Amino acid sequence: EPEVTQTPSHQVTQMGQEVILRCVPISNHLYFYWYRQILGQKVEFLVSFYNNEISEKSEIFDDQFSVERPDGSNFTLKIRSTKLEDSAMYFCASIVGTGELFFGEGSRLTVL
Amino acid sequence: GENVEQHPSTLSVQEGDSAVIKCTYSDSASNYFPWYKQELGKRPQLIIDIRSNVGEKKDQRIAVTLNKTAKHFSLHITETQPEDSAVYFCAASYQAGTALIFGKGTTLSVSS
Repeated sequence: EPEVTQTPSHQVTQMGQEVILRCVPISNHLYFYWYRQILGQKVEFLVSFYNNEISEKSEIFDDQFSVERPDGSNFTLKIRSTKLEDSAMYFCASIVGTGELFFGEGSRLTVL
Repeated sequence: GENVEQHPSTLSVQEGDSAVIKCTYSDSASNYFPWYKQELGKRPQLIIDIRSNVGEKKDQRIAVTLNKTAKHFSLHITETQPEDSAVYFCAASYQAGTALIFGKGTTLSVSS
């Protein structure tokens, strides 16, 4: 069964450092997303990406964040200067167009 | 933007009992309402979904009902089992590819 894959599974970084989280969406999917889940809290939408550009973003997705699809398979989330409050599980997800949103296993980010 | 409210935040039932989780949404344009189950440390996984042209959908022990007039939808789990214990999230979106907005989650505990 096709899966959304994410790397790394866990990253520890110092406050102020840049972090890049990587995702490989399911190959025939058209829409890609990043969500964030702070421990014990709800899944929060960050950004959606379609046709090589951001189609929607939330208030959380400020200038510290950026997304990119550098090649035909990878989809990355960059946090330029991490803050303590960026510590969370980051989920990548993708969808064909309608129907089920498939989540990756997540990348746990710990900012010290 | 869309806002999804979910309650209760925690629900404890005995094995074999039924469990009901309720959600309300704010944007009358929303037309897709999935439910996700998240086990501890894992990704959210779709368990059932409903679209606005349908009032009820059932899949074995799980059912979802939708009341578009009142803007609320509910998850019903019958004959609960210990393996149903997890966090359940409702979500809403208004068209294909747009962001799924999640509720805050319900922690269901099924004791044997």
